[in-house]
Amino acid sequence: DVKVTQSSRYLVKRTGEKVFLECVQDMDHENMFWYRQDPGLGLRLIYFSYDVKMKEKGDIPEGYSVSREKKERFSLILESASTNQTSMYLCASSRSVDSNQPQHFGDGTRLSIL
Amino acid sequence: RKEVEQDPGPFNVPEGATVAFNCTYSNSASQSFFWYRQDCRKEPKLLMSVYSSGNEDGRFTAQLNRASQYISLLIRDSKLSDSATYLCVVKRGGGNKLTFGTGTQLKVEL
Repeated sequence: DVKVTQSSRYLVKRTGEKVFLECVQDMDHENMFWYRQDPGLGLRLIYFSYDVKMKEKGDIPEGYSVSREKKERFSLILESASTNQTSMYLCASSRSVDSNQPQHFGDGTRLSIL
Repeated sequence: RKEVEQDPGPFNVPEGATVAFNCTYSNSASQSFFWYRQDCRKEPKLLMSVYSSGNEDGRFTAQLNRASQYISLLIRDSKLSDSATYLCVVKRGGGNKLTFGTGTQLKVEL
């Protein structure tokens, strides 16, 4: 079974802090993704990566950055957290670029910015 | 207009009922289609892919109508354990980027 592990289930931070969300997958997947999920808006793609040290912007990258130094790990960084970044953050991974492989999700991190 | 639109529900149905959800998508170049299931406060999980010819997996049947740009999911003989939010998902063009609908909530009751 694919295992996608996010470092924290719940996180509370203060406005202006730099926040790191970590995601690790154990299936040697090339693709990794970061989403946020908000009521009424569904899942929205923040950033994704097709390979080590490679990243591309998703639909809502503003206020975020990412890092993929190793294949199994994809980090999401909130450079200076703001209250509108309070959300559920979901990491996902999938096998390869041009295929119908499903995305496998982690349990999510519920982040509150005070 | 949203890329993927779904009726948010909730659909409240008795156990054993048949229920159908529809989903419309706006990008005619969309290539692949999926239904994901998300339980309350849990992560989304793939329920089934949707193929052009339609496909069935046990009590679940998925259909695709490219001309009208909609996808459907039919659940027969509903179980209490089917209660969840069902996400319509569309793959855009090349690569593995997915667009998620906001989901349709199903509640199956005794």
